[in-house]
Amino acid sequence: EVQLVESGGVVVQPGGSLRLSCAASGFTFDDYAMHWVRQAPGKGLEWVSLISWDGGSTYYADSVKGRFTISRDNSKNSLYLQMNSLRAEDTALYYCAKSYTTGTTSLFDYWGQGTLVTVSS
Amino acid sequence: DIQMTQSPSSLSASVGDRVTITCQASQDISNYLNWYQQKPGKAPKLLIYDASNLETGVPSRFSGSGSGTDFTFTISSLQPEDIATYYCQQYDNLPPFFGGGTKVEIK
Repeated sequence: EVQLVESGGVVVQPGGSLRLSCAASGFTFDDYAMHWVRQAPGKGLEWVSLISWDGGSTYYADSVKGRFTISRDNSKNSLYLQMNSLRAEDTALYYCAKSYTTGTTSLFDYWGQGTLVTVSS
Repeated sequence: DIQMTQSPSSLSASVGDRVTITCQASQDISNYLNWYQQKPGKAPKLLIYDASNLETGVPSRFSGSGSGTDFTFTISSLQPEDIATYYCQQYDNLPPFFGGGTKVEIK
C-alpha cells in the first residue's frame, strides 16, 4: 500500500525558515518524480514544486522560486521542502504527491495527508 | 501559464441527480486534464485522468470528456458520499494549474 507521510509543519514567524519532510513507502520511491502541492485555509490547490526521480531536475511555482528548495534522499525514501524567507501567504496545508508515471508528469495518483505551515508573528 | 476556469463554483443537487461540472483551459491542452475529488478534511483523490480515463477503483458513475480547451466532468447519479469539492487540473505544461474547484452539496 502506498503511503506518504508529511511532517515538519509548525507556526513560524515571517522571514523564518522551515524544512518539511515526506516519508514514502509501498512503492519504488526512486522510480518516480515527486511533488509538493499546497492549500491555503479554505482555498483551492496550488502546485508548488516538482523533483525528478534522481533529483537532477527541479521546478518551482513562480510564487516560491528563489525561496523554496525541493530535494530527495532515495536511500531514505524521503522527499523534502526547504522553505526560506517565509511570508504570511505561504500559510497552507502542504501535501506531498507522487507522480503517476515514471516521468516528470504532473499527474498525481497518491497524496499524503498534509502538514500545516502557519506563518504568523 | 495555462489558466483553468471551472464552473460552477458550487452546486446543490438531489440524490440521484445528474451533476455536470465544466472546466475550460486558456489554451489547447489536448487531453492532459485530470479531475480530483476532495472530501472535507481529506487529501485530494484522483478520479479521472487524461480527460476520460477512470482511475482504478473509482465508481463508474463518474465520467469525464472533452479535449482541447473544453472539458466536462459528470456524476451520473449523485450519491450522499459524493459530497466533496471537485478540481480539474491541466498537466500539459508546467505549472500544472488547478481549477478553482466546485463544491457539491446535497439539496
